[in-house]
Amino acid sequence: NAGVTQTPKFQVLKTGQSMTLQCAQDMNHNSMYWYRQDPGMGLRLIYYSASEGTTDKGEVPNGYNVSRLNKREFSLRLESAAPSQTSVYFCASTDGGYGYTFGSGTRLTVV
Amino acid sequence: AQSVTQLDSQVPVFEEAPVELRCNYSSSVSVYLFWYVQYPNQGLQLLLKYLSGSTLVKGINGFEAEFNKSQTSFHLRKPSVHISDTAEYFCAVSRSGGSYIPTFGRGTSLIVHP
Repeated sequence: NAGVTQTPKFQVLKTGQSMTLQCAQDMNHNSMYWYRQDPGMGLRLIYYSASEGTTDKGEVPNGYNVSRLNKREFSLRLESAAPSQTSVYFCASTDGGYGYTFGSGTRLTVV
Repeated sequence: AQSVTQLDSQVPVFEEAPVELRCNYSSSVSVYLFWYVQYPNQGLQLLLKYLSGSTLVKGINGFEAEFNKSQTSFHLRKPSVHISDTAEYFCAVSRSGGSYIPTFGRGTSLIVHP
C-alpha cells in the first residue's frame, strides 16, 4: 500500500545511546517532516526537508539531526538520547501542501 | 508565523448527539486548513481540508467543517456521533505556498459515551 513507512515501531534506549529513526515514502512527495507528539502538546516540528537535498530546523531541533538520503527517505538521528526525548515520533510527507500523509509512528522510551 | 488554537482539550458527548470541535487560527497570509483524526496508538489520518472555494467542506465519516475568514475559524462538526468517533482530533494550518510547513493545534479529545 502506498504511504509513509516508519521503522522501528517501538524502541527503548538507555540515556546516552544513539539511534536512527527511518522514514520512507513511495508517493514521490517532495517535502518530508519529522514531528514529535507529547501529551497535551500536539505535534511539534523537529526538522523538515522541503525538497531533496535540503533540510531545515523546526520548532524543537535540539538533540536531533536529519538526513534526506534521497527523495524517498528522511531519517532522524538521536546522537545521545536523553529522557526528555521520550516521545512518539511521526514522519509525514506532502507534495504541494494539499494534504499530509503520516506514518504510524515510533514510540521511543529513554531510560 | 502562523498558529492554531483548539479551544477545548476534551469534549464529552453522548452517542447520536451533535458535536462541534472548535479551531481558531492566526496567519498574515493565505492558508490551507486541515482536520486530522488520530485513533489510539495510530498515526494521523486526514479528515478534511480547505484549500479554496466553498467555505463548507465535507470529509470522511460524516464530518464537515466551515471556514470563516472573518473570524479566522475552522470548526469541525458532526450531526450525530458514534462510539467509534472517540479519538483525538487535530486542527492544522499551513501557508498556501512556500515550504508548506503545517502547524498543528494541541488536539481535542472527543469522548463519545453510550
